[in-house]
Amino acid sequence: NFLLTQPHSVSESPGKTVTISCTRNNGSIASNYVQWSQQRPGSAPTTLIYEDNERPSEVPRRFSGSIDPSSNSASLTITGLKTEDDADYYCQSFDDDNREVLGGGTKLTVL
Amino acid sequence: EVHLVESGGGSVKPGESLSLSCFASGFTFADTWMSWFRQVPGKGLEWVGRIKSKDNGGTADYAAPVKGRFTISRDDSKNTLYLQMDSLKAADSALYYCATVAGIATWGQGTLVTVSS
Repeated sequence: NFLLTQPHSVSESPGKTVTISCTRNNGSIASNYVQWSQQRPGSAPTTLIYEDNERPSEVPRRFSGSIDPSSNSASLTITGLKTEDDADYYCQSFDDDNREVLGGGTKLTVL
Repeated sequence: EVHLVESGGGSVKPGESLSLSCFASGFTFADTWMSWFRQVPGKGLEWVGRIKSKDNGGTADYAAPVKGRFTISRDDSKNTLYLQMDSLKAADSALYYCATVAGIATWGQGTLVTVSS
């Protein structure tokens, strides 16, 4: 199996851009789709990005996802940061048996 | 609109059992693989297990900490997913979420399980 490693926390100012990484420790990041979810305090997670870089229609274009095989990582980029983006962000993928693998989560502070 | 509602949470003693349900609406439940996740308040999400659709065999897989103690099942006629939890431990105390798998995943709001003597 494999692990997905995210930074524990990141912080940035409103209006700026932040990128959260998700690094796979073995096997190719491109082997299985990566999705990103957002969890605001006191709420259930919601999907921001699915299938590496697809965005549900209700998710603002400020959120984008990508994968980089050279670093074996996926990234979530948020532009034009707003205070409402203050939340926990999780990457997840699937192993070859379609079992879910979750990153440890990244706490984004917008200050 | 996809909607998931968990129920069945509560407070039990170590070694006891509890059964959670997740009622689904707004999509074709029978065609959808489903997962359970859990989250200790203030901590990260943890995958508990997943059940495939019956067309894909209907089998379930589990995370190592719960394998052999938890059982995931589904009743497609009732649009309901279940999580049977046996031999519960204090470490199983968490908010339990059901979620659709793949594509645009959707989570329910969760049901709280507390295991304490």
